[in-house]
Amino acid sequence: ELKVEQNPLFLSMQEGKNYTIYCNYSTTSDRLYWYRQDPGKSLESLFVLLSNGAVKQEGRLMASLDTKARLSTLHITAAVHDLSATYFCAVVNFGNEKLTFGTGTRLTIIP
Amino acid sequence: EPEVTQTPSHQVTQMGQEVILRCVPISNHLYFYWYRQILGQKVEFLVSFYNNEISEKSEIFDDQFSVERPDGSNFTLKIRSTKLEDSAMYFCASSEHRRWGGQPQHFGDGTRLSIL
Repeated sequence: ELKVEQNPLFLSMQEGKNYTIYCNYSTTSDRLYWYRQDPGKSLESLFVLLSNGAVKQEGRLMASLDTKARLSTLHITAAVHDLSATYFCAVVNFGNEKLTFGTGTRLTIIP
Repeated sequence: EPEVTQTPSHQVTQMGQEVILRCVPISNHLYFYWYRQILGQKVEFLVSFYNNEISEKSEIFDDQFSVERPDGSNFTLKIRSTKLEDSAMYFCASSEHRRWGGQPQHFGDGTRLSIL
């Protein structure tokens, strides 16, 4: 059974600082996604990572994938308050389409 | 930008009653999904649907659950006899391609189901 773990679960950081969220998964996968969720809202797709070594960047967020280590990272550069949200990684197994989500990281940016 | 729409946004139902949650996926998408999120917990897969049949379902999706695409636009989730533990946010999602290009699943705003 595919298991997806994120850490940290909670992250409180000051504006302007850098930090990284980690996503580990237990079995081989060919796709990994990062989603953002604001309180009481839907899930917004941020990144799709398809291959080993893939790196995607959008604004202050950068995601990478190491399929050999079964690890993805979401790096936040010079955080701003607008980035406060819960971030989920989600992994798809070979041969099926369901997303298995991580536990989520609740990020709070403090002015 | 096209989006997945869900109705109602909030549904309050007595335990034991049937409930139908409705979704309109993005029009050119072929794959449809239901997920749920119990308050404060992670998102859990319920079922995927393609070509008018269930392609995969989780252990949560027992005989009390069913899905249907009654026409060319709607995709519904029915819970036959609701239990207290069915209280959650239910998300509908759709995607364009199964595997090629790694297209993300696009999620609706969810229906908050409260069972009394």
